[in-house]
Amino acid sequence: GAVVSQHPSWVICKSGTSVKIECRSLDFQATTMFWYRQFPKQSLMLMATSNEGSKATYEQGVEKDKFLINHASLTLSTLTVTSAHPEDSSFYICSARATGGTEAFFGQGTRLTVV
Amino acid sequence: QKEVEQNSGPLSVPEGAIASLNCTYSDRVSQSFFWYRQYSGKSPELIMSIYSNGDKEDGRFTAQLNKASQYVSLLIRDSQPSDSATYLCAAYQAGTALIFGKGTTLSVSS
Repeated sequence: GAVVSQHPSWVICKSGTSVKIECRSLDFQATTMFWYRQFPKQSLMLMATSNEGSKATYEQGVEKDKFLINHASLTLSTLTVTSAHPEDSSFYICSARATGGTEAFFGQGTRLTVV
Repeated sequence: QKEVEQNSGPLSVPEGAIASLNCTYSDRVSQSFFWYRQYSGKSPELIMSIYSNGDKEDGRFTAQLNKASQYVSLLIRDSQPSDSATYLCAAYQAGTALIFGKGTTLSVSS
């Protein structure tokens, strides 16, 4: 299957700092990537849809100025959590859909802990 | 609002039994359906996709789709303890993100 690489797999940061998470499609081009957040024992929550070369579409209740998304190429999208706070601690997962495809493949996820 | 509904479980089955996971969706426009498996602390892994009415088999897994009833299911034959995980059902229509259910937790006892 298609491979989506997400980095880092875990990160611990101090409150008030920013953290950047990368999502790369390794063997296919992804016009669209998706960013999810998942709290323990809860379902995936879609945060935003990232389209190459255009602004991301954020879901209701997700602050676009806090969660900055950049999809500068067909194989890379980044999520930057700005001014992180302990309540931002969560499991962040990206997924990518190949151009013209329907299936979405997930990265390994990034466990963010803000202390 | 588009929704995908799943029974959260847990669904408990003995090793070697058939596990049956069910899912309903609200949006008739949905075209494609997927089952993902998620182990605790890991990201979801695609295990089955189905696009047309009927059954689709892949090894021990069979996905079933009934668009008239807006119903998708996943059967796991000869269940193994390693199948213990949360199974996520997802629906897709063109131009949108996948809509996920909340997942069903499956526990297979040896």
